[in-house]
Amino acid sequence: EIVLTQSPGTLSLSPGERATLSCRASQSVSSSYLAWYQQKPGQAPRLLIYGASSRATGIPDRFSGSGSGTDFTLTISRLEPEDFAVYYCQQYGSSRFGQGTRLEIK
Amino acid sequence: QVTLRESGPALVKPTQTLTLTCTFSGFSLSTSGMCVSWIRQPPGKALEWLARIDWDDDKYYSTSLKTRLTISKDTSKNQVVLTMTNMDPVDTATYYCARCYDSSGYYYGYWGQGTLVTVSS
Repeated sequence: EIVLTQSPGTLSLSPGERATLSCRASQSVSSSYLAWYQQKPGQAPRLLIYGASSRATGIPDRFSGSGSGTDFTLTISRLEPEDFAVYYCQQYGSSRFGQGTRLEIK
Repeated sequence: QVTLRESGPALVKPTQTLTLTCTFSGFSLSTSGMCVSWIRQPPGKALEWLARIDWDDDKYYSTSLKTRLTISKDTSKNQVVLTMTNMDPVDTATYYCARCYDSSGYYYGYWGQGTLVTVSS
């Protein structure tokens, strides 16, 4: 089974900075079947990115996804206060999720 | 407008069987390409996919839990039901149902608010 490893575990940044979150798969992900979700405390996850780089409806363009094969990245170009949350990647061929990256205010 | 809502017991005893119902609106699970999954999240931990049922009644289960899970749908009632047998305290989690975003893949654009299930004697 594919294992997704997200790094870093916690990322401390300030509003306005750029965030780069990594998701590495233990084997190649076919057809870029990779999604990213944002989850805030007490809320259900929200789909941000699918197909490795396609933004879901209503997602601001400061969120972007890239990568292929085994290495994928979620980039938030300029952090807004509402972006501080936990982020999960998902390989939807196997439906596995990564362990999450917590993005916290520095 | 797509909505999903989970319902079921908040507390179950070890060894009991858990039955959760996802009641949805705004779409039909008989539409080609639709799917609904159950996903859980222990307190403070990561998301874990459990099971999925597709529009054509195909069913898929987590490898590690498949012997304990059954997923089914009642299209006329707009419901998806998950049963999990032999509950254990490690199964304490918030259980979510979620709908595939579109027919292109098994990623989830619509989620219920989740229901917390505690397993304790």
